[in-house]
Amino acid sequence: ETGVTQTPRHLVMGMTNKKSLKCEQHLGHNAMYWYKQSAKKPLELMFVYNFKEQTENNSVPSRFSPECPNSSHLFLHLHTLQPEDSALYLCASSQDPGQGADEQYFGPGTRLTVT
Amino acid sequence: GQNIDQPTEMTATEGAIVQINCTYQTSGFNGLFWYQQHAGEAPTFLSYNVLDGLEEKGRFSSFLSRSKGYSYLLLKELQMKDSASYLCAVRNSNYQLIWGAGTKLIIKP
Repeated sequence: ETGVTQTPRHLVMGMTNKKSLKCEQHLGHNAMYWYKQSAKKPLELMFVYNFKEQTENNSVPSRFSPECPNSSHLFLHLHTLQPEDSALYLCASSQDPGQGADEQYFGPGTRLTVT
Repeated sequence: GQNIDQPTEMTATEGAIVQINCTYQTSGFNGLFWYQQHAGEAPTFLSYNVLDGLEEKGRFSSFLSRSKGYSYLLLKELQMKDSASYLCAVRNSNYQLIWGAGTKLIIKP
């Protein structure tokens, strides 16, 4: 049990659909992250929230929209996605991005397929 | 640009030792991390190095040379459950983690 949960675990959506991914952390951490993981590619950091404030947005297309209502919950709203957006979307949390080891705890991910 | 290089795949024998290398070029350095990721599962933290030298944690050790932009993860007494991908990541001057593509380690009996 990593303390970070994600729903749904699998999602198939058409290019015109709107869906949301949910992440919840039960570790009392202050920072939460969205990553995209494609086969044989490095993890791509999409968004970072620290104390509910967005601190990073790595040139992510506007069809991905994050929401962080509190330090325990993180959403990724999806609309008009493209087939190349099919990937594993991982959520992570950590105590403090600027301090020491600050290991990130990952959720199990949502396997997204865009048809 | 920022870059992390590690071998795509390695094969080793159960009970043996394997060393997974990682070289990096980043804008600044604030620590290097190794994570393990089993197929279909989330990455889990293995080690953190911020100073030069070797950090030992049970069967796993991680080494860092900041002047060479180089690290390795050493796995001893390999077990079948060590079959996984091993991800190297460097935290840069903006405290952003830059990730390598991972090394898939295959353990054979």
